[in-house]
Amino acid sequence: GEDVEQSLFLSVREGDSSVINCTYTDSSSTYLYWYKQEPGAGLQLLTYIFSNMDMKQDQRLTVLLNKKDKHLSLRIADTQTGDSAIYFCAETYYNQGGKLIFGQGTELSVKP
Amino acid sequence: DTAVSQTPKYLVTQMGNDKSIKCEQNLGHDTMYWYKQDSKKFLKIMFSYNNKELIINETVPNRFSPKSPDKAHLNLHINSLELGDSAVYFCASSPIGQYGYTFGSGTRLTVV
Repeated sequence: GEDVEQSLFLSVREGDSSVINCTYTDSSSTYLYWYKQEPGAGLQLLTYIFSNMDMKQDQRLTVLLNKKDKHLSLRIADTQTGDSAIYFCAETYYNQGGKLIFGQGTELSVKP
Repeated sequence: DTAVSQTPKYLVTQMGNDKSIKCEQNLGHDTMYWYKQDSKKFLKIMFSYNNKELIINETVPNRFSPKSPDKAHLNLHINSLELGDSAVYFCASSPIGQYGYTFGSGTRLTVV
């Protein structure tokens, strides 16, 4: 079935690393994504990973994928106050018309 | 140039009214979507069109009717608005394939 789960809140201090976790249930997902939503704004694609990859790094962002445990994580190094936002994990499968299944979102609060 | 633009950005209307939200993309993408974000920030797909053809129609009341006059436009018409329709509605587009989703900035609908 289609289910993506995330913890709802994360609070870190500026300069620390943040790790946002996500679990999904459908092993046939082909792409997994991380989106960022700032207050009152739309969804910004941060990064994505293909399901046959284990890791992807993009500047301060590191995505880790554990297919066996169906676990995806997003690590933000040197977290800044501008990183405060809601982060959504999402998955998609080619045979479902490309629809995105989203997690509930993790609200990241960065304290100075 | 805005890639996916939605109008209006805000919409306040009374119960029972009929309203439309418009979406246009200038990315040349073949597939367009409507997503609904509720008050708890949960995002769920409503509809998807590929080159003017409806390909995804999730369990959405039939008061909601999407219309795609061409592959660059996907409008959402809502009849007999109810309080529970209050939400943020996001339009998105993607090329054929599964990555490269681009979201609009959202339309905040408030039904009073």
